[in-house]
Amino acid sequence: DIQMTQSPSSLSASVGLRVTITCRASQSISSYLNWYQQKPGKAPKLLIYAASNLQSGVPSRFSGSGSGTDFTLTISSLQPEDFATYYCQQSYNIPPAFGGGTKVELK
Amino acid sequence: EVQLVESGGGLVKPGGSLRLSCAASGFIFSDYNMNWVRQAPGKGLEWVSYISGSSTYTHYADSVKGRFTISRDNAKNSVYLQMNSLRAEDTAVYYCARFPFPCGADCYNFDYWGQGTLVTVSS
Repeated sequence: DIQMTQSPSSLSASVGLRVTITCRASQSISSYLNWYQQKPGKAPKLLIYAASNLQSGVPSRFSGSGSGTDFTLTISSLQPEDFATYYCQQSYNIPPAFGGGTKVELK
Repeated sequence: EVQLVESGGGLVKPGGSLRLSCAASGFIFSDYNMNWVRQAPGKGLEWVSYISGSSTYTHYADSVKGRFTISRDNAKNSVYLQMNSLRAEDTAVYYCARFPFPCGADCYNFDYWGQGTLVTVSS
């Protein structure tokens, strides 16, 4: 099975800053990588699919890049509503594994 | 509007059974492959099981294989998870989640999720 590793596991940042989260797959997954945002007590929400495609309704300050084994999620200017936990997920095959998550907190 | 509404969670003793349901609306249910994903308290997300639109194919995580059974009733727009031989480590919020259709660039992302139902396994 493919393993997904995210870093960092948590970060503190201020509003307006640029934030980058990385995700690494244990083998090449081409561009089959997705990003989700989860707020406390809520279901995850799909932000980006196929590595770099913005899901409908997601603000353009979110972007994704990468292919093969290394991927990044970037928030260009952190907003108050962006404080949440972010997960990557490989969609190359089943089982569709998730990374361990990155909690973005207010500094 | 797409809606997925889970039910059936609760407190159950180790070794017991529980059946979760997920009622879907707002889309042609039979076109979509469906999943259950769980999240233990304070932990990350773990995919549990998958069922194809016509129920032809099912898949399970190793952690639940042989104990959990996924099924669906397209006439009732519902997907189910029968959980047997429950263990403390099965304690989690269980989410129903949909794979996209048609799936152009990516077939195995979760584009819609329910609100989840909590399963607690404890004596």
